[in-house]
Amino acid sequence: TQLLEQSPQFLSIQEGENLTVYCNSSSVFSSLQWYRQEPGEGPVLLVTVVTGGEVKKLKRLTFQFGDARKDSSLHITAAQPGDTGLYLCAGARWTNAGKSTFGDGTTLTVKP
Amino acid sequence: ETGVTQSPTHLIKTRGQQVTLRCSSQSGHNTVSWYQQALGQGPQFIFQYYREEENGRGNFPPRFSGLQFPNYSSELNVNALELDDSALYLCASSSDPSSYNEQFFGPGTRLTVL
Repeated sequence: TQLLEQSPQFLSIQEGENLTVYCNSSSVFSSLQWYRQEPGEGPVLLVTVVTGGEVKKLKRLTFQFGDARKDSSLHITAAQPGDTGLYLCAGARWTNAGKSTFGDGTTLTVKP
Repeated sequence: ETGVTQSPTHLIKTRGQQVTLRCSSQSGHNTVSWYQQALGQGPQFIFQYYREEENGRGNFPPRFSGLQFPNYSSELNVNALELDDSALYLCASSSDPSSYNEQFFGPGTRLTVL
């Protein structure tokens, strides 16, 4: 059973465009993390959100945690080719602290 | 500060063989988690070790086993390899097993089972 659904699965856009990717679940998470993974490498942590409704910004990236802590979104403004990669969300729960459940990711391609 | 390292980088085995993968955690980290990432999928949690004890396990059969050493490095052992075990195996270390603590991933070991 996939607890975290990410959409879209694939996204191809032109440099300068904006985009949003989503991470949805029917389960409540105590924290949710977003990672970026490049081919042949491990995921690199971008952000951790822990409070319902929380919004965090990292340069051109904006992350939001849903009020009910079941979903999250990642918005990228003015995408650049360097943003290309696999974006993964991962949730952890109090009853299973530290053992993250990952979605299958969104593969983003930004064309120059 | 040394990051998470894994060895070997790539490995080819045949069905039925056994394999051992190694992970050195980031300096100061006492918790190591192992994940399996099949092609086109997100990482799947295998198990976690905290201070040399298993601290949680995902839906993987007993032929997946592990160890953590006093220096907090870790091994993942897989017996009786199957074709479906072909994947990228990732380890991640953190300073504490709680859900708030950030995990830092190694580059992974690419295992191919023929």
